[in-house]
Amino acid sequence: KQEVTQIPAALSVPEGENLVLNCSFTDSAIYNLQWFRQDPGKGLTSLLLIQSSQREQTSGRLNASLDKSSGRSTLYIAASQPGDSATYLCAVFNAGNNRKLIWGLGTSLAVNP
Amino acid sequence: NAGVMQNPRHLVRRRGQEARLRCSPMKGHSHVYWYRQLPEEGLKFMVYLQKENIIDESGMPKERFSAEFPKEGPSILRIQQVVRGDSAAYFCASSPQVDTGELFFGEGSRLTVL
Repeated sequence: KQEVTQIPAALSVPEGENLVLNCSFTDSAIYNLQWFRQDPGKGLTSLLLIQSSQREQTSGRLNASLDKSSGRSTLYIAASQPGDSATYLCAVFNAGNNRKLIWGLGTSLAVNP
Repeated sequence: NAGVMQNPRHLVRRRGQEARLRCSPMKGHSHVYWYRQLPEEGLKFMVYLQKENIIDESGMPKERFSAEFPKEGPSILRIQQVVRGDSAAYFCASSPQVDTGELFFGEGSRLTVL
């Protein structure tokens, strides 16, 4: 059974810091891994999608890596800004017929001015 | 091309009433997924549908919950005889007919049961 864990659960940093959010999963048979952002009371914004054959994806100040064999992904945020404050969710899309997203509980990020 | 549209965005029901949540997938998308986010909990898969077919409903509670995706019209998640524990955000996602494995999410429907 696929399980997704995100560490840390919460993070508070001063503006300008580079930071790393971690995601681990127990079953390497994934189709892809996605990082989402969720603001309080809001919907889900897709940030980056990494296919199982890829090692990383970049979008602006965000970089996500995937090491499928070890069951790990990291989301790197460069030069953090107060506007980055949100909950960051990691989700893996299982391969095969069991096609569903399995979610971590998220990392709640606060970037302080 | 409009995104995934969910309505209502907010719904208040009293215990015992019915709740109907609608999801219109993106144009050209034939796969629909429903997820539920309970307060202080993570998102959980509920059901995966294609047009007129339920593919996987392993995440649906056994009673009171049902889902459909008819040939015409939106996907509907129906909750009968709601209880306070049904209060949650319900998210719909869609993906294209040629499944890329990328899901596009709606803004969610927030159900509050009084």
